[in-house]
Amino acid sequence: EVQLVESGGGPVKPGGSLRLSCAASGFTFSSYSMNWVRQAPGKGLEWVSSISSSSTYIYYANSMKGRFTISRDNAKKSLYLQMNSLRAEDTAVYYCARGDYYDSEYDYWGQGTLVIVSS
Amino acid sequence: QSVLTQPPSASGTPGQRVTISCSGSNSNIGSNYVYWYQQLPGTAPKLLISRNNQRPSGVPDRFSGSKSGTSASLAISGLRSEDEADYSCAAWDDSLSGVVFGGGTKLTVL
Repeated sequence: EVQLVESGGGPVKPGGSLRLSCAASGFTFSSYSMNWVRQAPGKGLEWVSSISSSSTYIYYANSMKGRFTISRDNAKKSLYLQMNSLRAEDTAVYYCARGDYYDSEYDYWGQGTLVIVSS
Repeated sequence: QSVLTQPPSASGTPGQRVTISCSGSNSNIGSNYVYWYQQLPGTAPKLLISRNNQRPSGVPDRFSGSKSGTSASLAISGLRSEDEADYSCAAWDDSLSGVVFGGGTKLTVL
């Protein structure tokens, strides 16, 4: 059974940093591209970043470029999102999702981890 | 302001057929596949329609998708109370080199 479990969310002050993790199981992690998608409270889904299976290709949404860094460790079957210079508008549930880095087909999602940016 | 435009709400009574639209542009819907996601209250999104009109395994055939030009639609026939959820469309955008989502449509079953 495919499972994606996010962790690392929580409260953080504006300007602070946070590192999210996503532990994968039930599939050959190293063969799949992975993604982060977020959802602000009461709002729609917003794509954050994508990374190809071997980390060759990486994409970010414009509003995250320069502040967020996506990475992965195939040996640990884990996906990461390093978030710096956090703003109030980054407050959201962050989901990791399996899917091609050049497409928007996400066939498995984690349960999400909540990030709250507030002073 | 989402790149893909969806109506914020839709409604229908049990047994009815409802459609949800998703409007984009040549750089997204016009040149790439459209996907639809269903998000039940308090849960993670679930892939509902793949590659414009394909249903992943386990998705009832009451759900169907279509695409024409720079617009797409999700149709739900034989509406059931458990269909009450948020529905979002998504597509890759060639100009942005990224994924764009619609703002989501909250479906209410009256």
